[in-house]
Amino acid sequence: GAVVSQHPSRVICKSGTSVKIECRSLDFQATTMFWYRQFPKQSLMLMATSNEGSKATYEQGVEKDKFLINHASLTLSTLTVASAHPEDSSFYICSATSGGSTGELFFGEGSRLTVL
Amino acid sequence: GENVEQHPSTLSVQEGDSAVIKCTYSDSASNYFPWYKQELGKGPQLIIDIRSNVGEKKDQRIAVTLNKTAKHFSLHITETQPEDSAVYFCAARGFQKLVFGTGTRLLVSP
Repeated sequence: GAVVSQHPSRVICKSGTSVKIECRSLDFQATTMFWYRQFPKQSLMLMATSNEGSKATYEQGVEKDKFLINHASLTLSTLTVASAHPEDSSFYICSATSGGSTGELFFGEGSRLTVL
Repeated sequence: GENVEQHPSTLSVQEGDSAVIKCTYSDSASNYFPWYKQELGKGPQLIIDIRSNVGEKKDQRIAVTLNKTAKHFSLHITETQPEDSAVYFCAARGFQKLVFGTGTRLLVSP
């Protein structure tokens, strides 16, 4: 199946710093990418949907100024957690599709963010 | 918006037994229903999916059934093995967005 790569897989940072997570589709062009957040023993919660070349659409309750999403190309989307705080510590997972509203979704391996 | 409920939250079975996980969804417009297996510290992996024009789909030991009228779908795993132990998530998608269920922690004991 298609491969979605996330980097870094783990990151530890100090409170107040910004962290960037990359999501790449390695063997297909991802017209749409999704970013999820997962707290321990909980489900995946959609944060935002990004279409290549346009602004991301954020879910209710997700601060767009804190979670900056850029989808500049058909193979790369980035999530930047601005001025991270301990409560932002979580498992961040991206997914990508080439098929619009009906295409299969492929998930990355996730990025674990720990903010000290 | 879509709301997906999943039961049970935990399921313990003996190796070789069958396991069934059930989900219900709220949005009648949803037309794609995947199931994911997530191991600790990893992203979810698609194990099987079903679209709204099909009532049942099977892939070796795994099967999924869909009842569109009742808005529920189920995952069936037969002849369970210890390596099936993981967290399983159902999901439903209408227009673009994929909404996940709350997850089921499956433990298969040897």
